[in-house]
Amino acid sequence: KQEVTQIPAALSVPEGENLVLNCSFTDSAIYNLQWFRQDPGKGLTSLLLIQSSQREQTSGRLNASLDKSSGRSTLYIAASQPGDSATYLCAARNSGNTPLVFGKGTRLSVIA
Amino acid sequence: DTAVSQTPKYLVTQMGNDKSIKCEQNLGHDTMYWYKQDSKKFLKIMFSYNNKELIINETVPNRFSPKSPDKAHLNLHINSLELGDSAVYFCASSQSGFNQPQHFGDGTRLSIL
Repeated sequence: KQEVTQIPAALSVPEGENLVLNCSFTDSAIYNLQWFRQDPGKGLTSLLLIQSSQREQTSGRLNASLDKSSGRSTLYIAASQPGDSATYLCAARNSGNTPLVFGKGTRLSVIA
Repeated sequence: DTAVSQTPKYLVTQMGNDKSIKCEQNLGHDTMYWYKQDSKKFLKIMFSYNNKELIINETVPNRFSPKSPDKAHLNLHINSLELGDSAVYFCASSQSGFNQPQHFGDGTRLSIL
């Protein structure tokens, strides 16, 4: 059974810093992995989706990597801004009709 | 404009009541989902429908009954509400296929008194 863990649970950084959020999963036979952002009182916004055949995906200041053999994914945020403050969730999907399995998220605060 | 919309945004009701949450998506997606986010912020899948047919049911009590009148709608009806049902319920949708990203609504915060 797939389990997804995100450490740390919370992270606070000064504006302008580059940072890395970590996600680990127990079953390396994943189909894809998706990173989301959740703002307070809001739904989830999809940031990046990495297929199992890919090593990384980039969108603007965000770069997500995937290492299936080690069961890890990272989300790199360059030049962080206060508007990046949110909870970031990763979710893994195994093959077939299996659902996304979410981590508990990392709550990021970027201090101006 | 909203891609995935849920109503109501907030729902406060008493134990034992029956309530419904509606979800509509205007993205033309074939697959829709319901998730539950508990007080510890842990997000778990409840149901998934593809082309109005149930494809995932994750050991949810049968007091929860999803209904999909068409591909653009997936409503959630809950009978005999219990205290443990208090949570935020999220609807999501995606294109068919497991490599498609999911798009979420803003959630419905259900509080049971």
